[in-house]
Amino acid sequence: EAQVTQNPRYLITVTGKKLTVTCSQNMNHEYMSWYRQDPGLGLRQIYYSMNVEVTDKGDVPEGYKVSRKEKRNFPLILESPSPNQTSLYFCASRPTGGGRREQYFGPGTRLTVT
Amino acid sequence: DAKTTQPTSMDCAEGRAANLPCNHSTISGNEYVYWYRQIHSQGPQYIIHGLKNNETNEMASLIITEDRKSSTLILPHATLRDTAVYYCIVRGLLIQGAQKLVFGQGTRLTINP
Repeated sequence: EAQVTQNPRYLITVTGKKLTVTCSQNMNHEYMSWYRQDPGLGLRQIYYSMNVEVTDKGDVPEGYKVSRKEKRNFPLILESPSPNQTSLYFCASRPTGGGRREQYFGPGTRLTVT
Repeated sequence: DAKTTQPTSMDCAEGRAANLPCNHSTISGNEYVYWYRQIHSQGPQYIIHGLKNNETNEMASLIITEDRKSSTLILPHATLRDTAVYYCIVRGLLIQGAQKLVFGQGTRLTINP
C-alpha cells in the first residue's frame, strides 16, 4: 500500500532531551516536507527537501533539523526541544513528474514537551 | 496562489450527496483547483484536482464552472466517515521551491445519521 509513515505517533518528552521523528514513504517521491499544525495557525512548513541531500528551510525552521540521506526517509530532529514545540507534526511527500502535484501526508505525530 | 472562499460549515444527511462550493474568482489560467480534507487530527488527505474540465475519481467529483471562478466538490453518497474539514486550494504546477500547502479555514462538513 502506498503510504507515508511516521514514528512515533505520540511522544511526551522533557525540555532539552533530543528526539527524532522518523518519516518514510514508499512511493519513490522526490519531494518531502515537514509541517506543524497548531490551533488557529493552520499548517506551517518547517523544512522541505527536493531530493536526496537537498533540503531547505520552510517558514518555521528554528529549533529543527532535517536530513535526507535516502530518498524514502526524511527524519525531523529536535536537538533541544522546548515547550513551544508542542504541536501536531505531519510529514508529506509528493510526486514531481507526470503533471501531478498532490501531496500525501503521514498520520501525524503528536508531540508534547514539558 | 489565488484566494479561495468557502462556507464555514455544512451539514448533510448520510447517504445523500454532499456538495461543497468554493469561490476562486481571481484564479489565473494556469492554476489548478485542488481539494483536500482533514478528519479530526489525522493527516490531510488529497481528494481530487482539476484545471477546467470536470473530474471524477473513486472519492469524489469536481465540477468547475466554465469561467473557472468557482467549483463544487461532490461526495456522491456521503457516509459518517466523510465528516471532516474540506479545503479548496488554487495553485499552479510549481516544480521548484517550497511548494508548501497553505490551508484556509475550509468547510467543516458534518454528516448526520
